[in-house]
Amino acid sequence: AQSVTQLGSHVSVSEGALVLLRCNYSSSVPPYLFWYVQYPNQGLQLLLKYTSAATLVKGINGFEAEFKKSETSFHLTKPSAHMSDAAEYFCAVSEGTGGFKTIFGAGTRLFVKA
Amino acid sequence: ETGVTQTPRHLVMGMTNKKSLKCEQHLGHNAMYWYKQSAKKPLELMFVYSLEERVENNSVPSRFSPECPNSSHLFLHLHTLQPEDSALYLCASSQALGRLPHEQFFGPGTRLTVL
Repeated sequence: AQSVTQLGSHVSVSEGALVLLRCNYSSSVPPYLFWYVQYPNQGLQLLLKYTSAATLVKGINGFEAEFKKSETSFHLTKPSAHMSDAAEYFCAVSEGTGGFKTIFGAGTRLFVKA
Repeated sequence: ETGVTQTPRHLVMGMTNKKSLKCEQHLGHNAMYWYKQSAKKPLELMFVYSLEERVENNSVPSRFSPECPNSSHLFLHLHTLQPEDSALYLCASSQALGRLPHEQFFGPGTRLTVL
């Protein structure tokens, strides 16, 4: 069975500081991994996805994530936080075949201090 | 309209009411999903339709009844709900289900309050 664990329900950083949101997954098949962002009063929006083409994935708004099979991790990073990055971030994993069952993590709320 | 739209955005209903949530996607997708998002809980997949056929029904109580009349529209019919059903209900769509999982495109959600 697949699962996703996001470490830390809340993360607070200063504007301009590094953002690091942690995600560990469990999957019995090669996983497809996603990061989504949810701004207040909105649905989820895809930030980036890993589909086995490259281990370092670049997404929108300056975010990137690195797939590390040995650590079963897919952490999300951004070198310099901006106030507009304040939102909730969800890591998700999908099966390699079939494709419809996406398991979402519990989410990490990012706060950015001025 | 672009993307995925949901109506209404907010809904307050009594436990004996019957109401429906509507979702429409303008992306040419042919898979659609209903999720329930509650505070402090992971996103819960409720139903999945692919090519207008229900392919997943995730142990959802029968007081929730989905309907997918075509690939662009998805409804969630609600009746005799409980207060614990209060949540944000999100609709999503993606390309047809096949060998590779596709990213999902989400609507803004309907905030449901059951009194």
